[in-house]
Amino acid sequence: QVQLKETGPGLVQPTQTLSITCTVSGFSLTSYYMQWVRQTPGKGLEWMGFIRSGGSTEYNSEFKSRLSISRDTSKNQVFLKMNSLKTEDTGVYYCAREAPRGYADYWGQGVMVTVSS
Amino acid sequence: DIVLTQSPALAVSLGQRATISCRASQSVSTSSYNLMHWYQQKPGEQPKLLIYDASNLASGIPVRFSGSGSGTDFTLTINPVQADDIATYYCQQSRELPLTFGSGTKLEIK
Repeated sequence: QVQLKETGPGLVQPTQTLSITCTVSGFSLTSYYMQWVRQTPGKGLEWMGFIRSGGSTEYNSEFKSRLSISRDTSKNQVFLKMNSLKTEDTGVYYCAREAPRGYADYWGQGVMVTVSS
Repeated sequence: DIVLTQSPALAVSLGQRATISCRASQSVSTSSYNLMHWYQQKPGEQPKLLIYDASNLASGIPVRFSGSGSGTDFTLTINPVQADDIATYYCQQSRELPLTFGSGTKLEIK
């Protein structure tokens, strides 16, 4: 069955870099786009970007200058890296599998990230 | 960016119909698809896909959930409402990037 699981640090200091790994099973990363979505108290659910099945990426311009999404298909993993973190980046970060017309049909359980010194 | 507007909360009685609306700042329909989707989120859980392409029920979702609409106006209907439906409901458009979500409608029991 399809499963997604995010792992990452619970606490990150301001100005530092956030790294989160999404490990998937039950499907191939070369067949689906993978999204990153976050949920913050200030802005609710926000689409951050995706990596296409072919490996190219698209980012929300809100994050474009500091966000990077990549993957390792041999390990069934997708990665999010975001630098220059601010307290407003505190929230839950989700990876999700994207179905052909842009909706997320499977989500990970999310990882809570707190940006604080 | 396409802005999706939802009412913050809705109170209904158990067994009654709940109608949750989502209005887009511009059309999210193509000649083939209405690219509006609905999710349910319970506290402490991830969002769960309910409806895709405005009116298609996602796998495993009870038939008391339904969706309708086109262009800029969309509706999620729950009929009849059950206690397990207490959650926040979000619409999301995929007509253009960036993908955007509504701010959510919290369903409460009257």
